[in-house]
Formats: sequence, structure tokens, C-alpha cells
Amino acid sequence: NAGVTQTPKFRILKIGQSMTLQCTQDMNHNYMYWYRQDPGMGLKLIYYSVGAGITDKGEVPNGYNVSRSTTEDFPLRLELAAPSQTSVYFCASTRGLDTIYFGEGSWLTVV
Amino acid sequence: AQSVAQPEDQVNVAEGNPLTVKCTYSVSGNPYLFWYVQYPNRGLQFLLKYITGDNLVKGSYGFEAEFNKSQTSFHLKKPSALVSDSALYFCAVRPPMDTGRRALTFGSGTRLQVQP
Repeated sequence: NAGVTQTPKFRILKIGQSMTLQCTQDMNHNYMYWYRQDPGMGLKLIYYSVGAGITDKGEVPNGYNVSRSTTEDFPLRLELAAPSQTSVYFCASTRGLDTIYFGEGSWLTVV
Repeated sequence: AQSVAQPEDQVNVAEGNPLTVKCTYSVSGNPYLFWYVQYPNRGLQFLLKYITGDNLVKGSYGFEAEFNKSQTSFHLKKPSALVSDSALYFCAVRPPMDTGRRALTFGSGTRLQVQP
């Protein structure tokens, strides 16, 4: 009954550091997404994947990278963290025509 | 490109009164429309969706939404608000012809505050 699981929940990074946000889903969904949520801005799509080995950019991909080596996992890599990347990050997945399910979120602060 | 507008940053309503959270959209073709709710420090929870069929869609926790094609709206409603309904609500749209990424485009969110 896990659904979409994200780690870590909270993280503070220093400017220039790198880190990986982990995301895994146990629903055998082909489609996976990373969104970021900024106050008053809704959610913006960073990257998405339509299946293992296939990834593509969303609306705001700069400063991020992803990989999809398995159906279950879709990690988001932040390289050279900047204050503008302070945000809440959500991983999500769907079978395709169905509802999109979200993880609990990862709160990231870059100082 | 598709877009979603939630014209109210915040909606205040007294407990027991009906509530409406507004959403309008712009998309080519017949849209897939969704409402999600977010409680503090939590992820987004699915409330309801409109794909096709009856314009009045019923969802979780007593919420419903009415799809109005002529007004390109998908307002969220509940007949009697509860204090526990206080949260951030997001409207989202997906174009029906998006056979690629199938991602959602979100509105900016509306904070619902229900007073006791």
C-alpha cells in the first residue's frame, strides 16, 4: 500500500552542493514525473519519463537531471545547488490514462 | 498550450455553509480535468476528475465539481463545509490529445479557510 515514496522529506543544502532526491513507486506505472512547487505558483513540471530508459524535459529542467533505469525508480539529481532551487519537490506516477498519484514531497532549502 | 486559472488566492467560508472554489481552463479539444487537495506539509491527494460523461462529478469527502464547457470552467463545490476541509486546493488539466507525456498542468492553488 506504499504508492509513491520520496526521500528525503527535508534537506538543507549549501550553495554549490549536489544531491539526489529519490522516488520509487510500487504500482507498476509507466509514467513518472518530477514537479516543483513554489508559493503561489502551483506545480511546475521539471522532468518526466514514459518508461524505463526514456526521459524528457518538462517546463523547468535547468539545474536538474534524471534517470530511469527501472520502472520503479525515478531519481532527481540537483547539480551545483542554487538558492533558486529552494522549493518543495513532488514525484508522481500514473498508468497513463488514469489519475496521477503524488508522493508526500521533499522540502529542500539551499543556503 | 494549455493553462489553468484559479482566480481566488483564498476562499473563506463558515462551517456548515456551502463552498465553491473556482477554476477555469484553456485547452484544445475536450479536456481531462482534475482537483487535488494538499494539507500542510503533505503531498497532493486526488479528489475527483472529469474525463467524459455527466457534467457533475462526485468525488472524495463529499466534494463535487461541475464541468461547464461553454464557460470553460470546472468549479469545486461542497454543500456543507467542515473545518477539516481547510487546505490548499489545486485544479489541473491534461489535454486529451497529449499522448506523449500525459502530465498535468496546474493552477496556482486556492487556500480554503473554513471558520468554526
